[in-house]
Amino acid sequence: GQQLNQSPQSMFIQEGEDVSMNCTSSSIFNTWLWYKQDPGEGPVLLIALYKAGELTSNGRLTAQFGITRKDSFLNISASIPSDVGIYFCAGQLGAQKLVFGQGTRLTINP
Amino acid sequence: DAGVIQSPRHEVTEMGQEVTLRCKPISGHDYLFWYRQTMMRGLELLIYFNNNVPIDDSGMPEDRFSAKMPNASFSTLKIQPSEPRDSAVYFCASRRTVFYEQYFGPGTRLTVT
Repeated sequence: GQQLNQSPQSMFIQEGEDVSMNCTSSSIFNTWLWYKQDPGEGPVLLIALYKAGELTSNGRLTAQFGITRKDSFLNISASIPSDVGIYFCAGQLGAQKLVFGQGTRLTINP
Repeated sequence: DAGVIQSPRHEVTEMGQEVTLRCKPISGHDYLFWYRQTMMRGLELLIYFNNNVPIDDSGMPEDRFSAKMPNASFSTLKIQPSEPRDSAVYFCASRRTVFYEQYFGPGTRLTVT
């Protein structure tokens, strides 16, 4: 079945540092989505990518849809305490279902 | 605009009891998804509906789980009888046909003792 490998599983950084995480798959996806989940809440959509090579920003967040359509990355610049949480990538392949990565848990030391 | 609404936010029940989780999708969204999240298995799709019709229930664990969508603004996920291994956070999500972006509710944390 389709699987997404998300890395790293966890990150411990200092406030102000930049963050980078990525997802790879053995399958080609038509859409990549990035979500953030805070404790006790549902995943919140951060960025949606629809075209191979597409680079999209949302404030301090930047995400790219890989040229091969099998990968995507998310960067966070100048991290702040409220960036703490779990980040998920999700890929869509034609059908209506999303395939989710295992998540990257971000911890920030002030 | 109101997001996806789920109730209750927390549910604690004893093994063998019936549990009903409720979801109100975002107005105008014609797809509705039910997910389960656990530490071990992450986010799992249980079932999804399009225009109130169940399309794919292959993720439903077993016959104890059932889901309905009687109208465009309401869906239920029922577990009968509940078991301790059903303890998890259950999310509802919705989207429009033309976009793949799913919007999640706050979830229902279910604990079965």
